Amino acid sequence: QVKLQQSGAELVKPGASVKLSCKTSGYTFSTSYMSWFKQIPGQSIEWIGMIYAGDGGTGYNQKFKGKATLTVDTSSSTAYMDLSSLTTEDSAVYFCARENYPPDYWGQGVMVTVSS
Amino acid sequence: DIQMTQSPASLSASLGETVTIECRASEDIYNGLAWYQQKPGKSPQLLIYNANSLHTGVPSRFSGSGSGTQYSLKINSLQSEDVASYFCQQYYDYPYTFGAGTKLELK
Repeated sequence: QVKLQQSGAELVKPGASVKLSCKTSGYTFSTSYMSWFKQIPGQSIEWIGMIYAGDGGTGYNQKFKGKATLTVDTSSSTAYMDLSSLTTEDSAVYFCARENYPPDYWGQGVMVTVSS
Repeated sequence: DIQMTQSPASLSASLGETVTIECRASEDIYNGLAWYQQKPGKSPQLLIYNANSLHTGVPSRFSGSGSGTQYSLKINSLQSEDVASYFCQQYYDYPYTFGAGTKLELK
């Protein structure tokens, strides 16, 4: 079955960067797309962007350009998202999801807390 | 960006009741509309895609309808496990956008 396993919770200082991972199994990662999302607890969901694992091609929500960088490692069927220059406004739960128009299977989410 | 206006923000219903959640897009999204269920501390689970197609494994008491800019999710015969938040999402155009969500509780 399709599984997406995300890395554990992160506590980071303002101005720092963090790299989140999303390890997949149960489907052909190398010919699929992955989307990433942000959700502040109790609020709605924002789409950050997506990446095609076949060639690493990306598309971003303008709001997150310069904030998020998406990459993949097809040898380990893992997707990554780098978040840079973190501020308290980046504190949220981040999800990866297999992009199947629409996203159909989601990781469990990872809480990122930005605090000094 | 396409704005998704979802209503109501919260809903209280009894077991066995039928509930309906609405979503309006700021422009025609040509049935590029999905519904998700999210329970506290969990990830969203896809229920409906292409406005009216049931995702694999989703109970048939869930159904979607609509076209153009107006869409709805209906839950027949409400069960206790349906207590959750529900979100609509348009994937017709980038960036994908979501409704603000509907919190469904038992009366």
